[in-house]
Amino acid sequence: EVQLVESGGGLVQPGGSLRLSCAASRFTFSNYWMHWVRQAPGKGLVWVSRINGDGSSTNYADSVKGRFTISRDNAQNTLFLQMNSLRAEDTAVYYCAREGFSGVRAFDIWGQGTMVTVSS
Amino acid sequence: DIQMTQSPSSLSASVGDRVTITCRASQSISSYLNWYHQKPGKAPKLLIYAASSLQSGVPSRFSGSGSGTDFTLTISSLQPEDFATYYCQQSYTTPRVFGGGTKVEIK
Repeated sequence: EVQLVESGGGLVQPGGSLRLSCAASRFTFSNYWMHWVRQAPGKGLVWVSRINGDGSSTNYADSVKGRFTISRDNAQNTLFLQMNSLRAEDTAVYYCAREGFSGVRAFDIWGQGTMVTVSS
Repeated sequence: DIQMTQSPSSLSASVGDRVTITCRASQSISSYLNWYHQKPGKAPKLLIYAASSLQSGVPSRFSGSGSGTDFTLTISSLQPEDFATYYCQQSYTTPRVFGGGTKVEIK
């Protein structure tokens, strides 16, 4: 079964850092754009960042630009999100998601999510 | 950034009802519009991509229409497993903005 599994969430103090991982299985990871999407408690979905197949192109939401870094290790089939200078408003469930091929351009596979709580 | 506005924000319906949710983009996005639903505590699931294409494995009671700025998701006969929150998303450009969501509740 095609699968994404996130890890690395937890409780961190404001100003701290956290690195999320997303392990991919059962598909050719390097062929796909990958995204991070977050959801604050009781709120809607918010797109965070994306990276292309070989890692050479990235984009970020304005709210995280300069603080978060997306990367990938295609040899290990793993996507990362390095989060620095964390704020209370970054508290959310973070999902990784696969973008389908160009004809789809939608997020066809999602991980189960990992919770990040920023609090003192 | 393109803004995505869904309506209504919530609705109550009965099993068997026909349900329609609308999504409006702040500028033309051609047919780059996707629909997802999400159940509590679960990840979102793709239902419709490119405005009207049914994702593999999704029941045919779900359909999508529209282009440009106005889009519609229709559930032809609501089933118990369809009670969830529905989100539209534009994939015309980055950032890939989602609508605010429509919560479909049991009447």
